[in-house]
Amino acid sequence: AQTVTQSQPEMSVQEAETVTLSCTYDTSESDYYLFWYKQPPSRQMILVIRQEAYKQQNATENRFSVNFQKAAKSFSLKISDSQLGDAAMYFCAYKRVERGNTPLVFGKGTRLSVIA
Amino acid sequence: DGGITQSPKYLFRKEGQNVTLSCEQNLNHDAMYWYRQDPGQGLRLIYYSQIVNDFQKGDIAEGYSVSREKKESFPLTVTSAQKNPTAFYLCATRLAGTYEQYFGPGTRLTVT
Repeated sequence: AQTVTQSQPEMSVQEAETVTLSCTYDTSESDYYLFWYKQPPSRQMILVIRQEAYKQQNATENRFSVNFQKAAKSFSLKISDSQLGDAAMYFCAYKRVERGNTPLVFGKGTRLSVIA
Repeated sequence: DGGITQSPKYLFRKEGQNVTLSCEQNLNHDAMYWYRQDPGQGLRLIYYSQIVNDFQKGDIAEGYSVSREKKESFPLTVTSAQKNPTAFYLCATRLAGTYEQYFGPGTRLTVT
């Protein structure tokens, strides 16, 4: 079974600085998707960024980018120019590519604090 | 307004009572999911449904039941058999042919 591990329960960053959140996963599949979701204090889960495993190029969305290392099964999230609104729980998630409907597998999350 | 609606935001029940959590969507998404979130835990899958009148158990289905009579609706019933029902419950949807899920605002259930 696939597993997703987020080894940092909590992280903090100074406003305007850069922070990297770690995620590793275990799978025997070659084709899959990876996601980062953000859960602010409102508890609404928001999709931040996604990465297709077949793409070598790292995904970016404005201040958010990933470092996808397929061989190492690593998928870290970099937040640049951190803002107070980035404070949230961040969840890494894995999805196998297939015709069926297997659900996302989530890590346990990293709580990010942003210090003004 | 397109989106996923979960109501109510907060729900309180006495132990031994069944309670039904609502999840409605007007995104025309095909698949719907129910997750449970506890402090310090990630999201754990309760049930999911790919099409109307079909659903599958997730990792922690015991003590829960669902129905999918309409594409737009996927209610979750927390039965008295669920030993520790107090938690935050999230509903999600996914469009067929895509892989990302979109989440509703959640319902906080407290059972005393």
